Amino acid sequence: EAQVTQNPRYLITVTGKKLTVTCSQNMNHEYMSWYRQDPGLGLRQIYYSMNVEVTDKGDVPEGYKVSRKEKRNFPLILESPSPNQTSLYFCASRNLGEQETQYFGPGTRLLVL
Amino acid sequence: GEDVEQSLFLSVREGDSSVINCTYTDSSSTYLYWYKQEPGAGLQLLTYIFSNMDMKQDQRLTVLLNKKDKHLSLRIADTQTGDSAIYFCAETFMDSSYKLIFGSGTRLLVRP
Repeated sequence: EAQVTQNPRYLITVTGKKLTVTCSQNMNHEYMSWYRQDPGLGLRQIYYSMNVEVTDKGDVPEGYKVSRKEKRNFPLILESPSPNQTSLYFCASRNLGEQETQYFGPGTRLLVL
Repeated sequence: GEDVEQSLFLSVREGDSSVINCTYTDSSSTYLYWYKQEPGAGLQLLTYIFSNMDMKQDQRLTVLLNKKDKHLSLRIADTQTGDSAIYFCAETFMDSSYKLIFGSGTRLLVRP
């Protein structure tokens, strides 16, 4: 079954405590991305990756880092979380082309106190 | 500029058709997408249309694209209670980023 998994699903943390949200896909997709979803704003892209070792900033990259050491994994790192990073985060993978497919993870709800 | 807009809420009776509308501003977008988000879940890609098409039908779903007015719609025929969800439209550009620009979502409520 094609899927994108994220962990953890829920996280409460405090300002400044580094955290990592993992993302893994089993479709061998080259393109992966991270989004945050905030009320009334839809989804906004944080970072994306075209392939292994190729990452780039999206629209709202400040305060986030990513890495892509293997094709299947694309972790999101918050080195020093702040309350304005409280949000719902989604990882996604895409198979770009004429018959495009996209899969989103189930989301990670983060609260930074 | 990049901007995608949707109305916030739509309520329909079960069995009726639903039409969810979306407007976009960037005429260089190449693909336009519709997604469904159920409570507590990620987005599910429902369908997409290439910008040189006017219409695409997939079972109960019909997508209409009016490029002149930059207007996209999703029609759901014979709407069921299981269709209650938030629906997002998005556009993408075939530049090096393949970035998706999302609308803020339309909450569809299907009344029995």
